[in-house]
This record gives sequence, structure tokens and C-alpha cells, in this order.
Amino acid sequence: DAGVTQSPTHLIKTRGQHVTLRCSPISGHKSVSWYQQVLGQGPQFIFQYYEKEERGRGNFPDRFSARQFPNYSSELNVNALLLGDSALYLCASSLDSAWPQHFGDGTRLSIL
Amino acid sequence: DQQVKQNSPSLSVQEGRISILNCDYTNSMFDYFLWYKKYPAEGPTFLISISSIKDKNEDGRFTVFLNKSAKHLSLHIVPSQPGDSAVYFCAVYSGGGADGLTFGKGTHLIIQP
Repeated sequence: DAGVTQSPTHLIKTRGQHVTLRCSPISGHKSVSWYQQVLGQGPQFIFQYYEKEERGRGNFPDRFSARQFPNYSSELNVNALLLGDSALYLCASSLDSAWPQHFGDGTRLSIL
Repeated sequence: DQQVKQNSPSLSVQEGRISILNCDYTNSMFDYFLWYKKYPAEGPTFLISISSIKDKNEDGRFTVFLNKSAKHLSLHIVPSQPGDSAVYFCAVYSGGGADGLTFGKGTHLIIQP
């Protein structure tokens, strides 16, 4: 069975641009969460979506937004990119809004 | 203010011996405690969890202990194997789920041959 898949695997952007990251959950999983992991830190919670509705939001600015589609895949959008947005962005899925969450391998975003 | 602390950035253990990874938390209202393992260039992999109503959970070579009075969580791996070399994250979860998982900074476990 396919795990959580994320695309692209790597991305390079410049300051001020916007970016869209994509995630496909494990088949049958209805909840998708997004995390940001900067070097030397643990993953930090950004959003959780369940049945296409936002269920939770972490302490991130409004430049970060997300949505979940009818097939339960999800997009994370970041506008007006800053150097500090350089990080590994992880997507996790779970059967419902609870744990355990299963993570994809992430998208490495570099801002120049 | 860090709610989950892993105070050892790295730990070196000889193959075959016991590895003990530690985690401290600040909020006594957390419902579940989890350990994830991460290899380079891969996402975190769920290892084992424990509910706040228990003090021990075992799965094969992995055992998690919860000391609620001390707000302390530990993961024991015995015997340690070379494939256990990875970064281990402690994470906590409140039953409502809306706040996602809160992770510590991780401990890099190195298993020496």
C-alpha cells in the first residue's frame, strides 16, 4: 500500500514568491496535517484538515493557508516567502482526526 | 516556551546494550505521548505510544514509561541494533486533536558496533 506521498521533493524559490506543496494521504485516511521542520528542531504543527474542514491551526502567519479536496488530498500554500520559511514541510495523514499520524518524506523548501 | 523537552541532543550506545531516551513535558493535561523515529531524507515513523492513564507500554524491543508525577517520559530500546541509529522525537497530543502533535527537538541515537 502506498504511504503518504508529497510533491515536489525539493523546491527552490526566492523571497516574495509563493509556493504550493501537495500531499496525498494513505488510502482511506480522511485527516491531513501539515508540519514545518526547521534544522535542529522538531516538526511544528501548521494545520489539520478533516473531511475537508480545517480542524486546527498552529501559530503561523496568515501567509500560510491550506485546503483539502474531496479525494482527501491537500495543498499547503505559502505567500510572500521569507528566508525563514526555508524548511522541510511534512504532511501526515490519519484515519480520523486523532493519532497516530503517518508522515510523508516531506518537501524541502529553500528560499534564496 | 517549550512544552516538550528532549535535553540530550545525542546519545551513543553500544550495539546489544540498552538505549534510554528521555523526554520531559510541562502540561499535565496531555492525553497521549508518542515516540517517532526519523532517518535522514525520510519522514518520521511512528514507533510507540502511551495513554496518560497508563505507566508502561511495550512493543517488542521498545518500551515506553510514563511518570506523570515527574512529567517524564522515556523510551527503552533493548537490545539496541545498528538500524536503530536515527533521530528520535517525543511528541504529545491532547485528545481534542485540534492542536496537532507537539514535538520535542529530538535526540540523535548512534549505535556503535
